[in-house]
Amino acid sequence: QVQLQESGPGLVKPSGTLSLTCAVSGGSISSTSWWTWIRQPPGKGLEWIGEIYHGGSTNYNPSLRSRVTMSLDKSNNQFSLRLSSVTAADTALYYCARRGAGLYYFDYWGQGTLVTVSS
Amino acid sequence: DIQVTQSPSSVSASVGDRVTITCRASQGIGSWLAWYQHKPGKAPELLIYAASSLQSGVPSRFSGSGSGTDFTLTISSLQPEDFATYYCQQTNIFPLTFGGGTKVEIK
Repeated sequence: QVQLQESGPGLVKPSGTLSLTCAVSGGSISSTSWWTWIRQPPGKGLEWIGEIYHGGSTNYNPSLRSRVTMSLDKSNNQFSLRLSSVTAADTALYYCARRGAGLYYFDYWGQGTLVTVSS
Repeated sequence: DIQVTQSPSSVSASVGDRVTITCRASQGIGSWLAWYQHKPGKAPELLIYAASSLQSGVPSRFSGSGSGTDFTLTISSLQPEDFATYYCQQTNIFPLTFGGGTKVEIK
């Protein structure tokens, strides 16, 4: 049973960079999986941010592509999200999730971590 | 982007009731739709994929149907543990997009 756990600062200043990590347990990050970030602003719906494959390929939401970077840390079995030039609109619950290669739904999710953008 | 619209946004129901949630895509997506259950403070859980396939371990009172642009999630007999928010997601085209959610509340 794969388990995912997000971690990172809960408060980021405007114009700064949001950095989150998702630790994977019960499975290898080197498996044929896409490792994904999804967010939910307060009172709003879910937004797919993007994903990274075990080989390093990435897919990003065009609406965020210019500000997003995702990376893998295979030695620690975790993956990361960096979102630059943040504003209050980036305040959200951030989830990491997994989808199997060739599948486009998410079978494992983390519990989410709240990131607030405020000075 | 494919827009996904869920209705209703909330529904009040009693234990034992049949509950139906609808999801409409802005263009045809075949059977490329998934449904999730989400309880506060917990990880969302996959219920249904490919519009009607039940994820392993999910109770059979959950079912999904539809194709093209119109889809339905049905809970045949609502149980206390089913009070949650439900989301649909189109799994057809990037960027992957979600419906706005339906909160199932106790009547």
